[in-house]
Amino acid sequence: QSVLTQPPSVSGAPGQRVTISCTGSSSNIGTGYDVHWYQQLPGTAPKVLIYGNSNRPSGVPDRFSGSKSGTSASLAITGLQAEDEADYYCQSYDSRLSVVFGGGTKLTVL
Amino acid sequence: EVQVVQSGAEVKKPGESLKISCKVSGYRFISYWIGWVRQMPGKGLEWMGIIYPDDSDTRYSPSFQGQVTISADKSISTAYLQWSSLKASDTAMYYCARARGAGGPFDYWGQGTLVTVSS
Repeated sequence: QSVLTQPPSVSGAPGQRVTISCTGSSSNIGTGYDVHWYQQLPGTAPKVLIYGNSNRPSGVPDRFSGSKSGTSASLAITGLQAEDEADYYCQSYDSRLSVVFGGGTKLTVL
Repeated sequence: EVQVVQSGAEVKKPGESLKISCKVSGYRFISYWIGWVRQMPGKGLEWMGIIYPDDSDTRYSPSFQGQVTISADKSISTAYLQWSSLKASDTAMYYCARARGAGGPFDYWGQGTLVTVSS
């Protein structure tokens, strides 16, 4: 059971908008620690998608956006494309456990 | 260009020892953290630990403390993950990744090292 809770799966049709939630607690996200998001395409290493809650590395399309409020964070993907089908993980810092990952969310593009 | 290159796949027997490596280039090795992440077959990412090569400050997840050892050799810009006695449950893909701080984010990842432990 992960310290950060994500839905196991989400889905959407091409062109739609989907969101993935990441729920933490007062010892991690709620303390003010940053949330980062990673995309893992099938058979590949993870790649950072969003860092520092809402910042996109160069090369990441602006269809991806992140936000944080209280003890939760969200990743939004607009204009869904087939190539977005992947596993998505949130990550933060926990004052008791150090680095923590969410359990991951599998995005299916219908 | 930043590159993170891990050692190749390993097949080991239970009880054997193992040390896998993570060699970086394209940046100042001692100025960033290197973390290790486990991914068991069909499962999610699990943070194992992290090291700051400049002073070897090393932190472990409680789940992995005492089970593995993380180290780094500044002279060859390489970090290591080692086991003294492997178990079948150690079968997994292991990733190393560079981090800007002890809490992440992990901005450059290695390609992964698949470790298979089987009798």
